[in-house]
Amino acid sequence: EPEVTQTPSHQVTQMGQEVILRCVPISNHLYFYWYRQILGQKVEFLVSFYNNEISEKSEIFDDQFSVERPDGSNFTLKIRSTKLEDSAMYFCASSEGTSDTYEQYFGPGTRLTVT
Amino acid sequence: AQSVAQPEDQVKVAEGNPLTVKCTYSVSGNPYLFWYVQYPNRGLQFLLKYITGDNLVKGSYGFEAEFNKSQTSFHLKKPSALVSDSALYFCAVRDWRGRRALTFGSGTRLQVQP
Repeated sequence: EPEVTQTPSHQVTQMGQEVILRCVPISNHLYFYWYRQILGQKVEFLVSFYNNEISEKSEIFDDQFSVERPDGSNFTLKIRSTKLEDSAMYFCASSEGTSDTYEQYFGPGTRLTVT
Repeated sequence: AQSVAQPEDQVKVAEGNPLTVKCTYSVSGNPYLFWYVQYPNRGLQFLLKYITGDNLVKGSYGFEAEFNKSQTSFHLKKPSALVSDSALYFCAVRDWRGRRALTFGSGTRLQVQP
């Protein structure tokens, strides 16, 4: 069964550094997403991406965040200058087609620790 | 703004007994509702969804959920629990107006005891 994959599984970085989290969505999917879960809190939506542009973003997704689909398979989340409060589990997801009834399939997550 | 409540942090049931994991939601307009399960060191796995139609929806691994519009609930159920069902369960909602962002509940940890 096709799966969403994410690398690395765990990233440790120092405050102020840039990090790039990588995801490979399911190959025939068209919509891509990033969510995050701060320890002990709810899973929160960050951004959705379709047709090489952001289709929706939350208040969390400020100017320090950016997303990109650099090639036909990868989808990345960049955090330009990490803060302590960016420490969280980051989940990538994808969904197929343009119908909004499709469910989202999630990757295993990248745990980001900012020190 | 849309929201989801999972009132129980933890649910314990004996293997073979029926289980229910509760979820209530608040959304403008018609809801799209989802259940996901998370096993240790794994991502969120899709279980089932309600979009429209029959209020009882069936999903993976023998799970089902009942949509109740008047009570704004979407409880997850299984007639006979297995020890392997022990995991963290998340309810999620989005509205029908084209926004795709899911709003998640806080999760319910299901423990099935042998």
